[in-house]
Amino acid sequence: GENVEQHPSTLSVQEGDSAVIKCTYSDSASNYFPWYKQELGKGPQLIIDIRSNVGEKKDQRIAVTLNKTAKHFSLHITETQPEDSAVYFCAAGSGGQGNLIFGKGTKLSVKP
Amino acid sequence: EAGVAQSPRYKIIEKRQSVAFWCNPISGHATLYWYQQILGQGPKLLIQFQNNGVVDDSQLPKDRFSAERLKGVDSTLKIQPAKLEDSAVYLCASSFRLAGAYNEQFFGPGTRLTVL
Repeated sequence: GENVEQHPSTLSVQEGDSAVIKCTYSDSASNYFPWYKQELGKGPQLIIDIRSNVGEKKDQRIAVTLNKTAKHFSLHITETQPEDSAVYFCAAGSGGQGNLIFGKGTKLSVKP
Repeated sequence: EAGVAQSPRYKIIEKRQSVAFWCNPISGHATLYWYQQILGQGPKLLIQFQNNGVVDDSQLPKDRFSAERLKGVDSTLKIQPAKLEDSAVYLCASSFRLAGAYNEQFFGPGTRLTVL
């Protein structure tokens, strides 16, 4: 079955710096790649997603890139702010059924 | 628009006891998911409903876990009997779910279960 690896597990940056989180997936049939942000005591919240027919997508300070050949995708956050501090999860899905396989998460800390 | 509601938020039980979690999805959302999130890991799908039918329950430990969505709206997840390794946050999510398309999954706040 599908397996999603996520790195790093923890990431600490200074406010204003960029942060990059990387994920790899195993199932070549995967065609949907969302990223979720989870704050303490809350459920995950979708921040951006990308489908396999697109190589890059950007939304203000957040961007995601996808390399289907290498089976990896990355989250880029620019001009980080303290409120970006949270756990970020990548996920992969296929077949249009809606079920997702999540990575283990990256705890991002943005120091003011 | 109200979000996904879950109750209780916290539950502490002894091993071998039973427990039930309740979820009310966003109004109009046909698909409902139950995930288990063990501390330090990503959510793992337990079961997925489309209206009141089960789409995927391949990861549900059926000897102790059960779930239902009888009227295609609210859902209940039950564990009987609980084991220590069931300690986790149980997340409910829902999506509008157009057939063959991916829709955003909206997550509830979760129920934190501690099994002693």
